[in-house]
Amino acid sequence: EAGVAQSPRYKIIEKRQSVAFWCNPISGHATLYWYQQILGQGPKLLIQFQNNGVVDDSQLPKDRFSAERLKGVDSTLKIQPAKLEDSAVYLCASSSAGLDTQYFGPGTRLTVL
Amino acid sequence: AQSVAQPEDQVNVAEGNPLTVKCTYSVSGNPYLFWYVQYPNRGLQFLLKYITGDNLVKGSYGFEAEFNKSQTSFHLKKPSALVSDSALYFCAARKAGNMLTFGGGTRLMVKP
Repeated sequence: EAGVAQSPRYKIIEKRQSVAFWCNPISGHATLYWYQQILGQGPKLLIQFQNNGVVDDSQLPKDRFSAERLKGVDSTLKIQPAKLEDSAVYLCASSSAGLDTQYFGPGTRLTVL
Repeated sequence: AQSVAQPEDQVNVAEGNPLTVKCTYSVSGNPYLFWYVQYPNRGLQFLLKYITGDNLVKGSYGFEAEFNKSQTSFHLKKPSALVSDSALYFCAARKAGNMLTFGGGTRLMVKP
């Protein structure tokens, strides 16, 4: 079974630029999560989708971050404009509806200069 | 509010010795508890979980964890450490319907 796919793996941008990350979950997984992992910390949930609906986006900085999952499969996370403090690894995870185990992709390492 | 604490930033153990990575949690009601491992430049890899039932949970690669409700702990253990176990370990907790909250991580160093 293929795992969670993410791209790009690495991205370097300057502050105030925009960036987008893509995630394709495990086939059949209805729930998709985006996490931010700052160096030296545990992952922090940004947003959770159930199919194409948002379940929880309470920790998403909505003034600059947005995410969508239009067809209930793959998802895009966007930052516009980026700040220095957005430098982090952005992890995507998915889980099967009704089950609790989340499976993570390799992440996108974002560096904002 | 939910919280997870991993009191040790780093654990050092010699290869072949038993290892323990500590985790305590604060979750109201019945917690769902998880351990994940992260290797350099990789995402988190699921090791094991406790939802209900037997307090001793066995997982991947010979790891196990013991749920202790009275101490609100879920320590990760392995009887005999391998050098290849060296990685960053994360404990996570949630209650049904809530988001998953991660601890800050513990770096495990296994020396030959």
